[in-house]
Amino acid sequence: GAVVSQHPSRVICKSGTSVKIECRSLDFQATTMFWYRQFPKQSLMLMATSNEGSKATYEQGVEKDKFLINHASLTLSTLTVTSAHPEDSSFYICSARDHGQGGTYEQYFGPGTRLTVT
Amino acid sequence: LAKTTQPISMDSYEGQEVNITCSHNNIATNDYITWYQQFPSQGPRFIIQGYKTKVTNEVASLFIPADRKSSTLSLPRVSLSDTAVYYCLVGFVTGRRALTFGSGTRLQVQP
Repeated sequence: GAVVSQHPSRVICKSGTSVKIECRSLDFQATTMFWYRQFPKQSLMLMATSNEGSKATYEQGVEKDKFLINHASLTLSTLTVTSAHPEDSSFYICSARDHGQGGTYEQYFGPGTRLTVT
Repeated sequence: LAKTTQPISMDSYEGQEVNITCSHNNIATNDYITWYQQFPSQGPRFIIQGYKTKVTNEVASLFIPADRKSSTLSLPRVSLSDTAVYYCLVGFVTGRRALTFGSGTRLQVQP
């Protein structure tokens, strides 16, 4: 099946700094990528939908100026957590949809990035 | 978006068959039913997907009744490594909207 990678797998940063997380679709093109956040013992919560070449669409309650999303190519989306605070510590998971063109729009998930803000 | 309801948790023993049922009363005509498995600190892993009747692959079976208002994931002869959280998702897979996760079912397999 298709592979979605994330980098880094885990990151520790100091409060007030910014952190960038990369999400790549390795063997398919993804016009649409999704970013989820998961707190311990909870389900995945959709944060935003990232569309290649256009602005991301954020879910209600997610601050777009704090969680900057860039989808500059069909294989790469980045999530930047700006001015991170301890409450931003979470497991961030990206997901990508196949480009289509005869393929499916199956949603593939990355391995996740554990962010710890100290 | 169709809301899903699953049992919070289930317990089983190695070698048993496990059936996890998901309710999705307001499923739309174009919606598919997809099940994912998630281990701690990992991304969800696709298990199986179906639209109606029965789908079977090398790891599971998915049973969907005619009214499609529920579905049952069947895991044959579970092992300890099947201990995980299982999510039932309902959505239009060929659209551009993300699949929405419910609370999931935490399956604990004991020896």
